[in-house]
Amino acid sequence: QQPVQSPQAVILREGEDAVINCSSSKALYSVHWYRQKHGEAPVFLMILLKGGEQKGHEKISASFNEKKQQSSLYLTASQLSYSGTYFCGTERRGTSYGKLTFGQGTILTVHP
Amino acid sequence: KAGVTQTPRYLIKTRGQQVTLSCSPISGHRSVSWYQQTPGQGLQFLFEYFSETQRNKGNFPGRFSGRQFSNSRSEMNVSTLELGDSALYLCASSLDRGSETQYFGPGTRLLVL
Repeated sequence: QQPVQSPQAVILREGEDAVINCSSSKALYSVHWYRQKHGEAPVFLMILLKGGEQKGHEKISASFNEKKQQSSLYLTASQLSYSGTYFCGTERRGTSYGKLTFGQGTILTVHP
Repeated sequence: KAGVTQTPRYLIKTRGQQVTLSCSPISGHRSVSWYQQTPGQGLQFLFEYFSETQRNKGNFPGRFSGRQFSNSRSEMNVSTLELGDSALYLCASSLDRGSETQYFGPGTRLLVL
């Protein structure tokens, strides 16, 4: 089942902060965050694993609430280069191990 | 280290034809996953290959198939193309299975007329 991202779109001015949320109705093992610019491939940002381990960019922060099956991506002091569509991909254990199910995406636009 | 490469980058086919897309993972990566991206359905998982075996499959008809070779390179095939198969097909490679960073290739944009 596809995770739900919110908001669907957000518009910022340079220097402002934003939070993008990703919620699942299923128990998750990990959450992966990607950013995709128009006409380009998705670029890896962060992995959050059950148990608290995180792997990703130093300038990107995120959280994973295992009880709520919800992850949040925090974008602080936004820059023009942050513009793009952000996707969360969720992974479950068992037969779905290794399979990422992506949310519908959040479009982030940063203006000067 | 070279990234994930996909060929061809663009493809135009007509309904009923078949198509084969190729993906070369990052050197040393053993897992390859394929995704279909469309404006309406977003990013959808097609299948995952590891050690030449399909480990996972998404909810796509049997017209979509794939394989992985001993050097980890992967191909996907779509037979009897339909207009709805027009999409960006993305390949992603990772070092191992599960909870590993997936690195995406540039994709193959397929247009079915």
